[in-house]
This record gives sequence, structure tokens and C-alpha cells, in this order.
Amino acid sequence: DTGVSQDPRHKITKRGQNVTFRCDPISEHNRLYWYRQTLGQGPEFLTYFQNEAQLEKSRLLSDRFSAERPKGSFSTLEIQRTEQGDSAMYLCASRQLRPGLAGGTDTQYFGPGTRLTVL
Amino acid sequence: GIQVEQSPPDLILQEGANSTLRCNFSDSVNNLQWFHQNPWGQLINLFYIPSGTKQNGRLSATTVATERYSLLYISSSQTTDSGVYFCAVVGVGGFQKLVFGTGTRLLVSP
Repeated sequence: DTGVSQDPRHKITKRGQNVTFRCDPISEHNRLYWYRQTLGQGPEFLTYFQNEAQLEKSRLLSDRFSAERPKGSFSTLEIQRTEQGDSAMYLCASRQLRPGLAGGTDTQYFGPGTRLTVL
Repeated sequence: GIQVEQSPPDLILQEGANSTLRCNFSDSVNNLQWFHQNPWGQLINLFYIPSGTKQNGRLSATTVATERYSLLYISSSQTTDSGVYFCAVVGVGGFQKLVFGTGTRLLVSP
């Protein structure tokens, strides 16, 4: 059973550098979500995709952030000109296409996350 | 947007004790999930429970959607139950995004 995978698991970078994270969802899931979690808080929604279409973006996603899902499979999240405030855990989740068919539900399954530290 | 509150914020138990965690939400929901976040940050699905009652081993959950709350019960707690428990909901018209509470931090001591 292959779950959601994320790469890298940890990233340390200097302020001003660009970073890119990758998420591979569960194979039959067509919906993919990105969340961000800062210390002591619950995760907060950033954006989500249905297939390759980005359907919603949070106000948290500033112009320095961009997400793609070019072939409707894996997704990347890029942060340009990183700032210390970007330090957080970046979580990816996926959900199946049609909950309700074959006993499916709206359950979102999360990957292990990428922990970003900006020095 | 929908608000999610969890209580208590912190809980310390001795191994073998039982506990109840509560999640209140401010509006109707299409989805409610309970998660356990382990020390490495992984969110582990416990229950998908927008309404009704479910049980899985020592854990059970009940959601009373009409009264806008959910409860997570942990019986005979073990040290491996330590971590942060999150409740997350998708509000009606919430476009599928989960809104998380601030969590309950549980520490089970031997």
C-alpha cells in the first residue's frame, strides 16, 4: 500500500534562496492538497488541484509561492526568495475521485511532510 | 469561515487511563476527520466521521452534527498514544479544504 510521499523530508536554506518540494499522491486519487503547519498550530490550507487544474488558492499563498500539477499526477510547490517566516512543515494530502462509489469517502490522506528551515 | 475549537489543549495521563477529547465547530460540515500527529510530524488518519459513531480498537469517536461537536475517546491509554490530536472539518461550501483545530497535546506517562 503506497501512501502519499513527499520529497525532500527536510530542507534547510538561506534567506533569499528558492526551494521546490514534490508530492506524489496515492495513485488513484485525483484531488491533491497542500497545507502549511507552523509550530504549535494546526495545518492551514494553501491550495488544491483536481487533476491538473488548480481550483483554489488561500490568501496565505503569496506571489512568491507557486504550485503546479502538470500531468495530474505529482505536484510541486515552489517558494521563491524564501523568508524566515516561511519556515514550517509543508504537508501534502490526496483524496479519491468519487467518494461514495465503491465505498469511498471524502477522507484526505496526508504525506509525511517537508520540514523547511530558512536561516 | 468555519471555526474549530478543541479541548483540552493539553492532557497528561498515566498509562491505562481513559480520556475524552472534544471538538466544537461553528457551522454545518460535510467532512470531519480525527488525526494523530506523531513526533515526526506525520498525520495519521484515525476516523472519517461527519456523523455517527465509530470504533477502532481502543479508540472510538462520535459526531453529533446537529449540535456541532465531535468526541474522541481513548481507552486504556498507552505511551504510544502520546502526540497531538487534531480534529479537522470541511464546511458546507468549503470547497474541500480541511479546517483544523489547534489540537490537543496528549502525554501518556508510564
